[in-house]
Amino acid sequence: DAKTTQPNSMESNEEEPVHLPCNHSTISGTDYIHWYRQLPSQGPEYVIHGLTSNVNNRMASLAIAEDRKSSTLILHRATLRDAAVYYCILRDDGYGGSQGNLIFGKGTKLSVKP
Amino acid sequence: GAVVSQHPSWVICKSGTSVKIECRSLDFQATTMFWYRQFPKQSLMLMATSNEGSKATYEQGVEKDKFLINHASLTLSTLTVTSAHPEDSSFYICSARSGTGLNQPQHFGDGTRLSIL
Repeated sequence: DAKTTQPNSMESNEEEPVHLPCNHSTISGTDYIHWYRQLPSQGPEYVIHGLTSNVNNRMASLAIAEDRKSSTLILHRATLRDAAVYYCILRDDGYGGSQGNLIFGKGTKLSVKP
Repeated sequence: GAVVSQHPSWVICKSGTSVKIECRSLDFQATTMFWYRQFPKQSLMLMATSNEGSKATYEQGVEKDKFLINHASLTLSTLTVTSAHPEDSSFYICSARSGTGLNQPQHFGDGTRLSIL
């Protein structure tokens, strides 16, 4: 799986938007961009994923660069409950024979200040 | 939404004991299940992948005779840590994926904290 690069940590104020960047310059045409987050002492939680177009769901938005070499996870209004480690992961569609496993990097630890 | 239940949440046992962890998909059929291990302040490390009715595929460096995985049904996978030792103490997390579309999200359990004395 192609690698991603994320900042180790970020800080945000409560109720303000947060933009979490992810670089993936070696992304292939069949790689989907997935975001998961992990709250302390819990298993990871799915946030959002996309291929080329920007995506929105009730949790967040995903903005994907035109060349797909970077993406940004956007939390529109951070809450204290959004404090977690956010993982940006590339996963291929599996049609090449891979299992499409999620391989976790170190992620970005987001702190939210009241 | 899809729910994955993992049991037990935590376990403390003596060195040499075998420990079984269960992972269940509660409201969907999991064609593929995954087991991860996470040490303090580190990221998740994939241990193995299992498809229902097949033998698990282990990642490099993971001893298949030590970490026995059974995926006998579409809703249940178990991980047995055999003859556990203190170095096996870790946070074990299972995950499940439904359907044949490999782009489907993975759903994670809340993990099992294993402490070997």
